[in-house]
Amino acid sequence: ETGVTQTPRHLVMGMTNKKSLKCEQHLGHNAMYWYKQSAKKPLELMFVYNFKEQTENNSVPSRFSPECPNSSHLFLHLHTLQPEDSALYLCASSQAAGDADTQYFGPGTRLTVL
Amino acid sequence: GNSVTQMEGPVTLSEEAFLTINCTYTATGYPSLFWYVQYPGEGLQLLLKATKADDKGSNKGFEATYRKETTSFHLEKGSVQVSDSAVYFCALSDRTYSSASKIIFGSGTRLSIRP
Repeated sequence: ETGVTQTPRHLVMGMTNKKSLKCEQHLGHNAMYWYKQSAKKPLELMFVYNFKEQTENNSVPSRFSPECPNSSHLFLHLHTLQPEDSALYLCASSQAAGDADTQYFGPGTRLTVL
Repeated sequence: GNSVTQMEGPVTLSEEAFLTINCTYTATGYPSLFWYVQYPGEGLQLLLKATKADDKGSNKGFEATYRKETTSFHLEKGSVQVSDSAVYFCALSDRTYSSASKIIFGSGTRLSIRP
């Protein structure tokens, strides 16, 4: 699905590093999401933004800090992560109304924390 | 709360075999139901959806029918190909969420097709 892009595709970082994941959607949507996908665990919703406002924080540790400057861009700022945070981080977007149910996903960022 | 249960994998089939991946759900109200597919190294792609009871979603030879009486949305394909090897996720929309869709995913079923 080329409508949602994510960079970088792969990231290796130490526990003391600070890095950011970027997501951009080209679909004219107004809602954006961060998910965490770990091996052998269900997909976990982390954050929801609707019209740039955060509407859900699913009990995510503060070492993950999201930012949504506009409806097309979503960032996930990372600092002092733990090895158990290693996972595939997926961004998604949807319309805020109308076909609001269907979410479109980016390819993900594979994060490894050393 | 709302939830989705799908059959555990992995599922291994020979090419041209018939595929069924079972999915059942628990929900209040009338959620939309989805099947997403994740190919190796990629994000999730919407495969098909159904928005009300008795609707049939279909795409790329895959089908699933929204069965309210059995709270099921089983995925089927008559003749699978090697290129169908992927992880398949059943999901439902949580309509208690007013203006942004919240989707609840099943745990995923890994499908491997042998040539």
